[in-house]
Amino acid sequence: GAGVSQSPSNKVTEKGKDVELRCDPISGHTALYWYRQSLGQGLEFLIYFQGNSAPDKSGLPSDRFSAERTGGSVSTLTIQRTQQEDSAVYLCASSLITGSDYGYTFGSGTRLTVV
Amino acid sequence: GQQLNQSPQSMFIQEGEDVSMNCTSSSIFNTWLWYKQDPGEGPVLLIALYKAGELTSNGRLTAQFGITRKDSFLNISASIPSDVGIYFCAGHLRGTYKYIFGTGTRLKVLA
Repeated sequence: GAGVSQSPSNKVTEKGKDVELRCDPISGHTALYWYRQSLGQGLEFLIYFQGNSAPDKSGLPSDRFSAERTGGSVSTLTIQRTQQEDSAVYLCASSLITGSDYGYTFGSGTRLTVV
Repeated sequence: GQQLNQSPQSMFIQEGEDVSMNCTSSSIFNTWLWYKQDPGEGPVLLIALYKAGELTSNGRLTAQFGITRKDSFLNISASIPSDVGIYFCAGHLRGTYKYIFGTGTRLKVLA
């Protein structure tokens, strides 16, 4: 597609429920990144994909967080047994090649609210 | 996770004023980027810097790659209301796969 697409744009869920966040990167972009932005905070790195594999998952906050990418394209970030501290904007970004000097293209994010 | 130090954290300015913000790091970077995030949107790339000492402009925006390669600044001249948003710097280490982002500068412009 023309840009990075994320869905849903907003999600309100009850504490303890599981949620899935979806990211459609720009077609042909091999690298995909998930970041989390808590209220008034900067961008916290979560996980990076090169193709379908994730060489770096070090930013995932706990084992309740997982992500996968299929077909070198769509990625899903799953949060199990959501907690209130999971409330944040989850941003996905993609780039044509890994370590591109031209930076990433970000999606508009999914705003997750856990009540 | 690792983040760059960005200052100021927030600022209120009058329309027409010039704005300056900067980013510092303990690491040497090969590329510096500046992004702007509008409310409810993802960050959008404004300026990219690739060489120490490089000064690059994009309209009313000017950014510089510090000589030490550990810092960068962004200037906005003659601010307008649509400059409101959060500005992030990001540094990239060549040979690594990711950018490290600053903590952001939240800009509010008073008409």
